[in-house]
Amino acid sequence: DAKTTQPNSMESNEEEPVHLPCNHSTISGTDYIHWYRQLPSQGPEYVIHGLTSNVNNRMASLAIAEDRKSSTLILHRATLRDAAVYYCILRDVSSGNTPLVFGKGTRLSVIA
Amino acid sequence: EPEVTQTPSHQVTQMGQEVILRCVPISNHLYFYWYRQILGQKVEFLVSFYNNEISEKSEIFDDQFSVERPDGSNFTLKIRSTKLEDSAMYFCASSEPTFNTEAFFGQGTRLTVV
Repeated sequence: DAKTTQPNSMESNEEEPVHLPCNHSTISGTDYIHWYRQLPSQGPEYVIHGLTSNVNNRMASLAIAEDRKSSTLILHRATLRDAAVYYCILRDVSSGNTPLVFGKGTRLSVIA
Repeated sequence: EPEVTQTPSHQVTQMGQEVILRCVPISNHLYFYWYRQILGQKVEFLVSFYNNEISEKSEIFDDQFSVERPDGSNFTLKIRSTKLEDSAMYFCASSEPTFNTEAFFGQGTRLTVV
């Protein structure tokens, strides 16, 4: 499986933007970049995904480098509820809906 | 908003006993998954299920594990003879039958083997 590298932890102040980086230097042409998060004592939750172009939704933005070897999840205004583990996952779609493979993710702490 | 429902939320069982974890996926979803998360560790893929058969499984999913969709709504994970190391949070997930769509996860069942 193609791998991702994320910082173990990050800290942010409430109401400030947060940029969560992810490196995926071995990404292939059929890998989509997915982000999920896991709030304390809950199951993982979808955040956003993209292939080449930057993506926006109500939760976050995803900025993808031109060479696709890295990406950044952007939370525009962190709230206490955004404290979670954020997972950057490469999903190979060449053979259908392959399962998500989770790494260790980045633990985001939000300070009031 | 539709959600994936898992029961029970917590199950305690004795080593060697069989357990069945139950999941009700979102109604129009056709891809189903089981994951587990040992306390303090990462979320691990167990098995995926589509069109009434296993489509992919991990090394963890050995002969002690089985999955079933006994009716049109439930999706179950059975562990035949539980071991202490099976203690974990088990998450069910489902997704629509469309390309590269997001997976929706349940709240999990905490399995404790004593």
